[in-house]
Amino acid sequence: DAKTTQPNSMESNEEEPVHLPCNHSTISGTDYIHWYRQLPSQGPEYVIHGLTSNVNNRMASLAIAEDRKSSTLILHRATLRDAAVYYCILRDHTGNQFYFGTGTSLTVIP
Amino acid sequence: DGGITQSPKYLFRKEGQNVTLSCEQNLNHDAMYWYRQDPGQGLRLIYYSQIVNDFQKGDIAEGYSVSREKKESFPLTVTSAQKNPTAFYLCASSVRPYSNQPQHFGDGTRLSIL
Repeated sequence: DAKTTQPNSMESNEEEPVHLPCNHSTISGTDYIHWYRQLPSQGPEYVIHGLTSNVNNRMASLAIAEDRKSSTLILHRATLRDAAVYYCILRDHTGNQFYFGTGTSLTVIP
Repeated sequence: DGGITQSPKYLFRKEGQNVTLSCEQNLNHDAMYWYRQDPGQGLRLIYYSQIVNDFQKGDIAEGYSVSREKKESFPLTVTSAQKNPTAFYLCASSVRPYSNQPQHFGDGTRLSIL
């Protein structure tokens, strides 16, 4: 099964951009890359997903490397509400399962 | 508002007791999932269901059971066979199985042993 590797923690100053990296060197050609975030004692919240091309939505941008072995979640202007654990996940080709790692804990400094 | 409702928010289990966690969704989603999360860890899949009256084991199904009699409901029973049930349990749904639609999560049930 393809897995992901993320830094355990990162810090960012408020109102500055944040780049959260993810390595997924064993990704298969049909695996989608999903990002979720989770606040303490809450369920994960969907952020963004993509396959090959970079993606943008109102929450974030997803930059996918050309070889698809890594990706970066970009928060354009971090706010205090963005402090959470961010999970980079691969959805397998059957679509049945998400493989969650331990994620990156993002601290936003006022 | 459409969403996923998990209840109760907190649950306590005595030794040898079965307990059932409720998960209801009004999103008209076909697929539903149960995950377990331990402190400082990611999520691990317990069971999933692609359609009514069908469900499949995930990575850690031992000691758990589920049913899917209605599209909107996917209850999880933690049986006495689950020796380490203390965890945060999350229910999720997605529009269809075999799709790349995102999963929508409830706010979880925290289970503890008395």
